[in-house]
Amino acid sequence: GIQVEQSPPDLILQEGANSTLRCNFSDSVNNLQWFHQNPWGQLINLFYIPSGTKQNGRLSATTVATERYSLLYISSSQTTDSGVYFCAGVPPGGGNKLTFGTGTQLKVEL
Amino acid sequence: DAGVIQSPRHEVTEMGQEVTLRCKPISGHNSLFWYRQTMMRGLELLIYFNNNVPIDDSGMPEDRFSAKMPNASFSTLKIQPSEPRDSAVYFCAVGGRAVAGELFFGEGSRLTVL
Repeated sequence: GIQVEQSPPDLILQEGANSTLRCNFSDSVNNLQWFHQNPWGQLINLFYIPSGTKQNGRLSATTVATERYSLLYISSSQTTDSGVYFCAGVPPGGGNKLTFGTGTQLKVEL
Repeated sequence: DAGVIQSPRHEVTEMGQEVTLRCKPISGHNSLFWYRQTMMRGLELLIYFNNNVPIDDSGMPEDRFSAKMPNASFSTLKIQPSEPRDSAVYFCAVGGRAVAGELFFGEGSRLTVL
């Protein structure tokens, strides 16, 4: 199966700082998505972004499918951004089977 | 966004007992997924359904696990008999209405097997 590497594994930010999270895939993927798991365990769909760039408020994401990576940008971070960020994708021939990365644990401090 | 209701939210049971986890998606979604999350293995796909039909159950750990989807608005994941290593958070997710490959998750069922 494909390998999904996320970096950094852990990140601590001061409120108001910006950050970039990265996701690398060992093979091309379909249906690339970013999720946020909040401290209560809920998995929230942030972006469905198989290619290109999308923005939603303080968050934006860019996927360069030909180079098999995706980036998630968080600007003006807030304490509510804390949690784990996962990227996931479907390998070729994988139907709808999303493979998840190991996540980036983010903590935003006052 | 999709509404996916899971129950129970928390369950504590003893080894050997049968566990049934339930998922009720709002209608209009053709695909339904069961995932398991543990510290050791992260998020793993157990099984998924398209139009109520199981498509891929290769992630189901062993015969103790079974899943059904009798209609478009209800699915169950059953573990019989349960073991301590089954302790995990079990998520149900649905594919989006506009984009089938876009997943929306329920709040999960946290299972503890003593």
